[in-house]
Amino acid sequence: DIQMTQSPSSLSASVGDRVTITCRASQSISSYLNWYQQKPGKAPKLLIYAASSLQSGVPSRFSGSGSGTDFTLTISSLQPEDFATYYCQQSYSTPRVFGPGTKVDIK
Amino acid sequence: QVQLVQSGAEVKKPGASVKVSCKASGYTFTGYYMHWVRQAPGQGLEWMGWINPNSGGTNYAQKFQGRVTMTRDTSISTAYMELSRLRSDDTAVYYCAREGGYCSSTSCHDWFDPWGQGTLVTVSS
Repeated sequence: DIQMTQSPSSLSASVGDRVTITCRASQSISSYLNWYQQKPGKAPKLLIYAASSLQSGVPSRFSGSGSGTDFTLTISSLQPEDFATYYCQQSYSTPRVFGPGTKVDIK
Repeated sequence: QVQLVQSGAEVKKPGASVKVSCKASGYTFTGYYMHWVRQAPGQGLEWMGWINPNSGGTNYAQKFQGRVTMTRDTSISTAYMELSRLRSDDTAVYYCAREGGYCSSTSCHDWFDPWGQGTLVTVSS
């Protein structure tokens, strides 16, 4: 099975900060990588698919990049509603595997 | 709009079974795979498997093989996930999620969107 890791596991940031989250796959997954946002008590929400494509309705301050084994989710200017946990997920093979998550909270 | 509505919270004893439903609306139910993902309290997301609502075909994560059964009723656009021989570490929120995707000339990509609201299953004696 492909293993996914994320760093950092948590971070504290202020409104307006640029935030970068990294996801790494244990083997090459090309661009088969999705990003989700989850707020407490809510279901995950798709942000980015195929590594860099923005899901409809998602603010343009979110962006994704990378291919192969290393991927990045960037929030260009953190907003109050962005404080949440972010998960990457590989769609290259079965079983589908999620990263362990990165919690973004308020500094 | 596309919507997945799941059944309510359950409390079960160890060794029992639970069946969670996921009713789809706003799209052609048989046109999209349905996945199930669970999340233990304070933990991350764990993929359990998928069902093809058109054929009824399934693919389960090895961890759940022999304990999980995914079924569907196309007449009411509803998918089900049944987990048997429950243990305390099966306590989690269980989500259904529709598979979305597209194919270019060279590759096909898929993702989970939307998700149901989640069903809390508590296993306790």
